[in-house]
Amino acid sequence: AQTVTQSQPEMSVQEAETVTLSCTYDTSESNYYLFWYKQPPSRQMILVIRQEAYKQQNATENRFSVNFQKAAKSFSLKISDSQLGDTAMYFCAFMKPSNYQLIWGAGTKLIIKP
Amino acid sequence: DTGVSQDPRHKITKRGQNVTFRCDPISEHNRLYWYRQTLGQGPEFLTYFQNEAQLEKSRLLSDRFSAERPKGSFSTLEIQRTEQGDSAMYLCASSLAVQGANAFFGQGTRLTVV
Repeated sequence: AQTVTQSQPEMSVQEAETVTLSCTYDTSESNYYLFWYKQPPSRQMILVIRQEAYKQQNATENRFSVNFQKAAKSFSLKISDSQLGDTAMYFCAFMKPSNYQLIWGAGTKLIIKP
Repeated sequence: DTGVSQDPRHKITKRGQNVTFRCDPISEHNRLYWYRQTLGQGPEFLTYFQNEAQLEKSRLLSDRFSAERPKGSFSTLEIQRTEQGDSAMYLCASSLAVQGANAFFGQGTRLTVV
C-alpha cells in the first residue's frame, strides 16, 4: 500500500523568505502522480502544483516549485518570496493512475510572519 | 462555473440521528469523490463515482455510511445512527475522468456529533 509522510508538522518563516516543505512516499508503482495542495484556515483545498512521475523535469508554478527525486521517493515543495497569503496547511498527496484515489500526508502547517 | 459546492457547511447533530450531505460537482466533471478529514490529519478517501456508477466503496467506514449519485450530477453522503467518532470534515471533490486528472475540492461539510 502507498503511504505519504510529511515529517514537519509546523514551519514558520518571515515574509519574503524561501521555505521548503518535505514529503516522502512509499510505492512500488513506476507510474504515478504527486500533488501539493494548500488548505487555508476554514477554506477549501486548493491545488498548488503537480508532478507526473514519468517526467524528469521538476514542475514549477510561479513562486512554487518542486524537487522530485524519484529514486529517493522524495517530493519537496519550495515556496520562494513567501507571502502572508501563503499561510495554510500544505498537504502532499499521491495518486495511482489506476484508481484515481489520493493518498495524503498528515500535512505541514506553514505560518508566514510579517 | 462556480466550482464544487457542498451543503450544508456545518451540521450539528445528536448522537444516533441520521445526516445527509450534498455535493454539486463542477458541471463537466464526471468523477466525484468523497473524503473525510479529521482534525490535524490529511483527508481519507471514502468512495468515488464515475457518472452514476459507484466504482469504489470498500473504504466507506462502516455500513452506516452510504453514498449516491443518482443522475450522475450531484451526490449525497448519508451517515446513519451517527456516533461521536463521526465528527469530522467531509470533503467532496470532482475531476474529469482522465488519467491523473486534477481533483477540485469543495469547502467541505463540518459535522459535529454531540
